[in-house]
Amino acid sequence: EAEVAQSPRYKITEKSQAVAFWCDPISGHATLYWYRQILGQGPELLVQFQDESVVDDSQLPKDRFSAERLKGVDSTLKIQPAELGDSAMYLCASSLVVAGVYEQYFGPGTRLTVT
Amino acid sequence: GENVEQHPSTLSVQEGDSAVIKCTYSDSASNYFPWYKQELGKGPQLIIDIRSNVGEKKDQRIAVTLNKTAKHFSLHITETQPEDSAVYFCAAQQAGTALIFGKGTTLSVSS
Repeated sequence: EAEVAQSPRYKITEKSQAVAFWCDPISGHATLYWYRQILGQGPELLVQFQDESVVDDSQLPKDRFSAERLKGVDSTLKIQPAELGDSAMYLCASSLVVAGVYEQYFGPGTRLTVT
Repeated sequence: GENVEQHPSTLSVQEGDSAVIKCTYSDSASNYFPWYKQELGKGPQLIIDIRSNVGEKKDQRIAVTLNKTAKHFSLHITETQPEDSAVYFCAAQQAGTALIFGKGTTLSVSS
């Protein structure tokens, strides 16, 4: 069964350092999402791509966060500089359109700890 | 924008009992309502979903109901087993947009 791949699974970094996360969506899924999940809460969208284009980045803190999906396949999310409040699970999801509905499948996530 | 409320936040049941988790949404334009199960340290797993043109859907021990008028949808798990223990999230979506999640329900099934 095809899955969304993410790496690394865990990352510990010091505040003010740069950190990057990678996501490889399920083959053929044109839509890719990055979500942030704070412990004890539901995931919240950071950025949504359709192919290589950004569809929604309204909740992305653009002063420190950036995301790209250059060839419309895999994607990278970067934080520079990291802050203590960035500690969270970063989840990537991809979706397939089925009868007009975007079914989303999540990867295992990257657990970020900022010290 | 859309807002999803989920209750209860924690639910403890005995093995074999049923569990019900309820969600409400605010935006009548939402037309897709998935449920995810998240185990510790893992990403959310899609377990069942329902579209706005359907009132109920079943998959073995899991069922979901939708009341569009009241903007309510619920997850029903029958004959619960210890491996059902996890955090469950409901979500709502308008076509082509990201999911809006509830805050989650921690289900504990004791044997």
